[in-house]
Order: sequence, then structure tokens, then C-alpha cells
Amino acid sequence: DAGVTQSPTHLIKTRGQQVTLRCSPKSGHDTVSWYQQALGQGPQFIFQYYEEEERQRGNFPDRFSGHQFPNYSSELNVNALLLGDSALYLCASSLRRLAGETQYFGPGTRLLVL
Amino acid sequence: DQQVKQNSPSLSVQEGRISILNCDYTNSMFDYFLWYKKYPAEGPTFLISISSIKDKNEDGRFTVFLNKSAKHLSLHIVPSQPGDSAVYFCAATFSGTYKYIFGTGTRLKVLA
Repeated sequence: DAGVTQSPTHLIKTRGQQVTLRCSPKSGHDTVSWYQQALGQGPQFIFQYYEEEERQRGNFPDRFSGHQFPNYSSELNVNALLLGDSALYLCASSLRRLAGETQYFGPGTRLLVL
Repeated sequence: DQQVKQNSPSLSVQEGRISILNCDYTNSMFDYFLWYKKYPAEGPTFLISISSIKDKNEDGRFTVFLNKSAKHLSLHIVPSQPGDSAVYFCAATFSGTYKYIFGTGTRLKVLA
């Protein structure tokens, strides 16, 4: 049973560039959430996708956008990168976010912005 | 506004003893709480959860206690093992939202 997978594992970009991160959910899951984890902090919710629509967004600027595909995989795009965007980006999958439905995390993509 | 707080950044415990990790929250709407464990270079791994209708949930060596009046939950690990050494995150959510709100984590070190 494949868990949540993310690619790439590491990425180095320069300020002003754009980046796309990818996530495949756990088998059987249809909902994908993205989180940003800065050093020494807990994960912060970016947004969640369900049925190819963004259905909730955290406190992140419009530079952060996403997409969900019909096979439930998802992409996170960040435009006009800032130094402060350097973080671990985590994808979590779940099933329709039912009450009490647990989110399962992937290994993350570590982004460094120079 | 930090709605979920883990006030102890680190904890050291001898192998075989009990580890107690604490978490406080401020939002009374939270009705579901989770603990995740995170090893370096890996994503958080789900450990155990508890609904607000319960005050205790047990899974093997792991027990989570919820005190709603104090807005406090704790994770007990008995007996602690060296493999339990990791960063533990407390998370909370409620029925009207899809997001989890995480604490800043507690680094547990179990000494052999």
C-alpha cells in the first residue's frame, strides 16, 4: 500500500523564481492538503484540495497556488520566491475530510531559496 | 496567535521510564486532537488521536489524555524506548475546518 509520495526531495531556487512541488496521495485517498514547516516550527496549513477545487486556504499570499488532478495527485506552485519561503513543504492526504479523518503526511520537499 | 502550544521544546527520559509530553490549546472549538512523531528527513507520522467526547485513548505503549476544562492534553509513552527519540507534534482541528493547527513540537530523547 503506497503511502504519500512527494517530489522532488530537495530543491534550490533563487529569489524571484517560481517552483512547482508534486504530491501523490496515499492509495484510496482523495483529499490533499499542503503545509509549510519552517525551521523550529510546526507545520502551517497552506490549503486543501478536494474534487479538484481548493476548499480551504490558510494565511498564505496568492503567490502560493495549487492544483489537483483527476487522479487526486496535486501540485503546489510558489511564484516570486522570497528568502522566507525556504522551508519544508509537506503534503498530507486523507479521505474526504470526514469528521475525525486523519491526515497522513509525505516525506516533504525541502526548498532553499537563495 | 498560537492556538496550540507545546511549552517544552525538549525532554530527556531514561529507557524504560514514562515519557509525558504536554500540549495546551486556547480554542474551545477544537474537537479532535492528534499526535504526530517526526524523525529527521521524514514527514510527520500519525501516532494517536482523541475526540473531544473522550478523555483517554490508548494504543499499545501510547496513551493520550484530554482535559477539556483545562484545555490540555498529554501523551504518555510507557515504557519509553530509544527508537521513540523524535520530535512530537500536537495538532488540533474542529468540524468546521479542514486544517490542522500544530504546536511547535517537543524533542524527546530516550537515553539507553
